[in-house]
Amino acid sequence: GESVGLHLPTLSVQEGDNSIINCAYSNSASDYFIWYKQESGKGPQFIIDIRSNMDKRQGQRVTVLLNKTVKHLSLQIAATQPGDSAVYFCAENIRANAGGTSYGKLTFGQGTILTVHP
Amino acid sequence: DGGITQSPKYLFRKEGQNVTLSCEQNLNHDAMYWYRQDPGQGLRLIYYSQIVNDFQKGDIAEGYSVSREKKESFPLTVTSAQKNPTAFYLCASSPLQLDTQYFGPGTRLTVL
Repeated sequence: GESVGLHLPTLSVQEGDNSIINCAYSNSASDYFIWYKQESGKGPQFIIDIRSNMDKRQGQRVTVLLNKTVKHLSLQIAATQPGDSAVYFCAENIRANAGGTSYGKLTFGQGTILTVHP
Repeated sequence: DGGITQSPKYLFRKEGQNVTLSCEQNLNHDAMYWYRQDPGQGLRLIYYSQIVNDFQKGDIAEGYSVSREKKESFPLTVTSAQKNPTAFYLCASSPLQLDTQYFGPGTRLTVL
């Protein structure tokens, strides 16, 4: 299960630096992973995803790395900007079955607070 | 303007009252979801629906109810049986055969 608490991990970086946000997932059967960005008072915004048959996927300024051996996921943000300041969540997906059909069930981590200083 | 809308943005409820949160999507997605978010925590699944007129309980369904009479709409009712309803509520949707979920802007519910 997920750890709970009011003290989220935090990462503070200077504008222009690269940021790396880490996530440990729980289920070796998870087949799909997503990173979301959530700004204060808003809904999570999709950033990038990766399937379990991949180790790395790149987007615009972002890279996701997947290490299935140690069940670890990371999000790298290049040239971090003040607008990147937010809470970042990883989510793992497991195909579950209910009512005779399968569906994707996302389990979310508690998030990491990224603060970018100008 | 496509996407997922939730209303109201802020909602206040007196103890003992039922309240209904609206979620509408025009993405033609089959599946819709309701999550609850508490400070410093990840999202927890309340209910989900894969098709019209069908829905399933998530991990924390007690004290909540839903309906799915239309593909575009998935309202959530927070009943008086929910003992700690103050939270940020998020609705999401996804195409049925894909696992990516897209979120609405959320409704912040406060019990007075």
